[in-house]
Amino acid sequence: NAGVTQTPKFRILKIGQSMTLQCTQDMNHNYMYWYRQDPGMGLKLIYYSVGAGITDKGEVPNGYNVSRSTTEDFPLRLELAAPSQTSVYFCASSYWDSTYGYTFGSGTRLTVV
Amino acid sequence: AQRVTQPEKLLSVFKGAPVELKCNYSYSGSPELFWYVQYSRQRLQLLLRHISRESIKGFTADLNKGETSFHLKKPFAQEEDSAMYYCALRPANAGGTSYGKLTFGQGTILTVHP
Repeated sequence: NAGVTQTPKFRILKIGQSMTLQCTQDMNHNYMYWYRQDPGMGLKLIYYSVGAGITDKGEVPNGYNVSRSTTEDFPLRLELAAPSQTSVYFCASSYWDSTYGYTFGSGTRLTVV
Repeated sequence: AQRVTQPEKLLSVFKGAPVELKCNYSYSGSPELFWYVQYSRQRLQLLLRHISRESIKGFTADLNKGETSFHLKKPFAQEEDSAMYYCALRPANAGGTSYGKLTFGQGTILTVHP
């Protein structure tokens, strides 16, 4: 029972490079989310999805893109990495009713230099 | 729009002392409140939900709609309680695609000294 799996765990990017953060869940959750965690700023929602083929912007979407072709996968794309994107990224999933909470991945620590 | 505020970034107590992590929110509708915890080198996990009125690991939290607060309390802190704690809010009846989305506070790092 893997839950939410994120890869990679760590990555260093140069300014202007691109990368995709992978997120997969095996719980058949409808909803999936991407958050970034910055010191003293808490968790900010980047993008979310309520089902395959449906995505929407969160609080801080600039510089990111997402897609949701299957229920299981919700990759986050950084097209032109900038130092401001240095952060820890968390993927999470939940049922449509998140009363029972989110299941989080272990996070990806990204540094842009 | 909803907002969650945790006024303390850092909180230090000694083992056996009471601890209270503050959480205030602003939301015009009916909220559901949660506390999440992140222990060192572990992923974020749900600690407790206000609707279940439960006590988890000795922690309790009461939703005070008059003061718009959801403070997390424990009468006797333990060293293993040291972690990052996040308060989060979800609109209870938002409907549509807003349903399910959590708004998190800034987090409080709790350190329990021996």
